Amino acid sequence: DVKVTQSSRYLVKRTGEKVFLECVQDMDHENMFWYRQDPGLGLRLIYFSYDVKMKEKGDIPEGYSVSREKKERFSLILESASTNQTSMYLCASSPATGNTEAFFGQGTRLTVV
Amino acid sequence: RKEVEQDPGPFNVPEGATVAFNCTYSNSASQSFFWYRQDCRKEPKLLMSVYSSGNEDGRFTAQLNRASQYISLLIRDSKLSDSATYLCVVKEAGTALIFGKGTTLSVSS
Repeated sequence: DVKVTQSSRYLVKRTGEKVFLECVQDMDHENMFWYRQDPGLGLRLIYFSYDVKMKEKGDIPEGYSVSREKKERFSLILESASTNQTSMYLCASSPATGNTEAFFGQGTRLTVV
Repeated sequence: RKEVEQDPGPFNVPEGATVAFNCTYSNSASQSFFWYRQDCRKEPKLLMSVYSSGNEDGRFTAQLNRASQYISLLIRDSKLSDSATYLCVVKEAGTALIFGKGTTLSVSS
């Protein structure tokens, strides 16, 4: 059974903290993605990676960075958390080729206070 | 800016009804098309891929019109368990999935 695992289901952090959201997939997928989902705005792409050490900015990369040191792990970093980064964060992975779906993790609901 | 547009709804229908969702996309170079389903407080999951010739999976039928850049999903004989948000998703070569904001369906008895 395919699996994308996010390290935390719920997280509460203080303004200004550095926050790490971790995502691991066990499907040997080349592509990995970070989205955030907010009411009325849908899923918006923050960053994606198509290979180890490779990254591409999505639609809303400001205030975020990513790290992909190993194929199975893709980390999202909030350099200095702000209240407007309170959101649901969803990690996904997909194979590099073909008309294939992306598989999502269960999501991390981050609250910045 | 590449966009996927959906009617947000909500669509409120009785059990047994037929309901259709529509979606338009802005980039004619888009290559792959999907409908995802998202239950409340859960992650999105693939409902079905959408092929140029149209495709059916049980009570669900998906259609694609490349000329009009339009995708549809038809649900027949709605069940209570179909209540969810349906996300139209588009992919171009070498890029991530682009999601519509979703259409909410509520099926009542």
